[in-house]
Formats: sequence, C-alpha cells, structure tokens
Amino acid sequence: GQNIDQPTEMTATEGAIVQINCTYQTSGFNGLFWYQQHAGEAPTFLSYNVLDGLEEKGRFSSFLSRSKGYSYLLLKELQMKDSASYLCAVEDSNYQLIWGAGTKLIIKP
Amino acid sequence: TAGITQAPTSQILAAGRSMTLRCTQDMRHNAMYWYRQDLGLGLRLIHYSNTAGTTGKGEVPDGYSVSRANTDDFPLTLASAVPSQTSVYFCASSLAGTDTQYFGPGTRLTVL
Repeated sequence: GQNIDQPTEMTATEGAIVQINCTYQTSGFNGLFWYQQHAGEAPTFLSYNVLDGLEEKGRFSSFLSRSKGYSYLLLKELQMKDSASYLCAVEDSNYQLIWGAGTKLIIKP
Repeated sequence: TAGITQAPTSQILAAGRSMTLRCTQDMRHNAMYWYRQDLGLGLRLIHYSNTAGTTGKGEVPDGYSVSRANTDDFPLTLASAVPSQTSVYFCASSLAGTDTQYFGPGTRLTVL
C-alpha cells in the first residue's frame, strides 16, 4: 500500500529552527510537495521537490532523498505565525497526490 | 482575482438528504479535485477532473458524484448523505494534472 509518515505534533521556540520529517512508500514517484495549513483554513503551497537535494525559499527549505524515501521541511527563525500544520504529499505514478496526516507545529514564545 | 470559491461555508444536513457542494475557479485551470479532510487522516481524494467533460474516481468515491460541464465549475453531489460523510471538503485546482494544486476555503459539512 501507499504510506506517508510524519510526526503528529512538534513544539519549537520562537526564533529557533525546526525540522519536520516525512517518509514515504508509494507506487511510483513524480514529486513531493509541502503545504502549510493554518487551523480552519485551506492548505497553501510551500515547496516542491522532484530531484534529490535542498530547495531553499526564504526562511523555509525542503530536502529530498528519493533513494531513502525521505524528505524534510526546515523552518528557520521561527515566528508565531508559523504555528500551523505542515502537510507532506507525494505525487504517485498516476500523478495523484498521496497525503500525510500532517504535523501540527506549536510555536512557544 | 477570487481564485477558488466554495459554497456553502458550512452546512448541517439530515441523513438521507441530498446536497451539492459548489466549487468555482477563475484561473482557467484545466484540472480540478475534491478532497475530504478528517481529523488524524491525510487529505483523501474523492473525485477529480483533468479537463472539462471528463471525471475520474479517487480514493474514496462511494456516495459522491461530480460533473464538469465547463472549465470553471466542479460541483460535488451527495445523493443520500450518511453521518460518515461528516467532514471538511476542499476543492482544488491546478493548471494541469501534474502541477501544483491550489485550494478553496473549504466546506464544513455535518450529517446528523
């Protein structure tokens, strides 16, 4: 079967760095997405990785290792507004997105 | 630009009743999707449409139907609602089936 694993919840301190991991087992791989979802709102696109390595976009970076079935989202200089759920999704061989359950990130002052 | 709109924002529905959730996008995206989001689970694909006039079944299509008469609209119909269909429903669209998906604000549906 297809499976995306992420930690359920993480806590970090304002100004610090946090890494949210995602491991996947899917039928085929055509890319990996990270989305941010604030409580009661829609998911919004953060990043996309299709090749191995690190993609940096401001305070957020996303890493992919296809051979290990592994990705992480790195958030630097955490702000209170970063408190949200972070969703990992893999595009399978049929180009459909398989979603993880999301990681709820709690930022403390 | 509105992007993607969904209606209603929320609804309480009696079991056995029918309901249509509306979704409209103004980005001229070819592909559209319906997902449900339940606590502790990832988003699950209900139905999708890669282009106007075509639809396909996702992971959890039973009890739901869709149509895609034009590019902009993608309504989701529950013919006879059951309590297990209580969920938050998100509509999404992408330029093509392989591109980044953009989400509407969601409809919170409660079936009693």
